[in-house]
Order: sequence, then structure tokens, then C-alpha cells
Amino acid sequence: AQKVTQAQTEISVVEKEDVTLDCVYETRDTTYYLFWYKQPPSGELVFLIRRNSFDEQNEISGRYSWNFQKSTSSFNFTITASQVVDSAVYFCALSEGRSARQLTFGSGTQLTVLP
Amino acid sequence: DSGVTQTPKHLITATGQRVTLRCSPRSGDLSVYWYQQSLDQGLQFLIQYYNGEERAKGNILERFSAQQFPDLHSELNLSSLELGDSALYFCASSYRGATNEKLFFGSGTQLSVL
Repeated sequence: AQKVTQAQTEISVVEKEDVTLDCVYETRDTTYYLFWYKQPPSGELVFLIRRNSFDEQNEISGRYSWNFQKSTSSFNFTITASQVVDSAVYFCALSEGRSARQLTFGSGTQLTVLP
Repeated sequence: DSGVTQTPKHLITATGQRVTLRCSPRSGDLSVYWYQQSLDQGLQFLIQYYNGEERAKGNILERFSAQQFPDLHSELNLSSLELGDSALYFCASSYRGATNEKLFFGSGTQLSVL
């Protein structure tokens, strides 16, 4: 069965600090997809990034970067120079390709960026 | 704005009652998903439809049912409501309903069962 673990329940940083959100996943499929979603205080879930199991290339998008490592089953997310607007709950999620299992979300990490 | 519309935004009802949550997917999307978000269970996948047909089922209770209509909007029906059903219910949509697609989420319906 697929499982996503976000061990960090809450993180608080001061503006301009870098912060990394951890995500560890479990799956028996060799084909799977990993996602990060953001849930700001307004409540709507917003897609941030998707990675498939065959693409371990790390990605940088502006202040966001993602580190995917199959060897440790991790898909971590880093925000560089955090801003108050980054305050939100961040969810890591997994879907399995072969078994066609739909998104399984982690429990989320509440990030608070203080001014 | 994701393009997914959910109504109502808030719903307050009593135990034992029945409610219907409505979702209009993003224009062009054929697949609709329902998720439940609660403090104790987190975000749980309930059910998925693709072009009117049920595609996948998750942790959906027998008291809950859903359908997708020919115009692709979807409804989630919750009956014999219990206190524990209080949660934020999200609808999401995607074009093909494939597991590698990103989902576009609505703003949710906050259900309070008193």
C-alpha cells in the first residue's frame, strides 16, 4: 500500500531564512508520481510540482527547489529566502501508475514565516 | 482561481440529516474527484468519476454516494450524518483522470454536523 510521511507537523522560520520540508514515501509500484500541493489560509489546494519515478532530476523554480532521491524514497521541498506569503500548509502526495491508485496525501506541514 | 466551483461554501446541519454537495469541474476536464479533509484523518480520497462513470473508489462510507452528470458536474450525497462527518470536502478535476495528472481543486465545502 502507498504511504506518505511528512514528519514535520509545524515549522516556523523568520522571513528570508531558507526552509526545507521533508517527505518520505512508500510504494510497491515501480511507476509512480510525486506531487507537492500548497494550502494557503484561504483553504484552496494549489498544485506546485509533479515528478515521475523515472525522473530524478532535481528542479529549481524561482525560490522553490525540489530534491527527489529514490535511494532514500524522499522528495523534499526547499523554499529559499522565505516570505510571509509562503505561510501555508504544504502537502506531499503520491499516486501509483500501474495500480492506478489515486493521490495519497501526507499529513501536511504547517509553515509559518514570521516577519 | 482553479476554475473548479463548489457549492455551498458552508453547510450546517444536524445528525441524521442528508446533504448534497455540488461541484463543477474546470472547463474541458472530464474527471472529477472528491476528497475529505478532517483534523484526525487528514486528506482522504473518496471517489473519482470520469465522463460519467465511476473510475476509482477510496475510503468512502456506504452512507455516502456520488455521481457525475452528462454535463460533467458532480454531486456528493452524504446521508444519515454523524458528528464525525464534519469536515472540509474538496472537489478536484483533471482532464483525463490519469494518475500522473495534476489536480485542480475547488475551494471546498465546510460541513458542520451538530
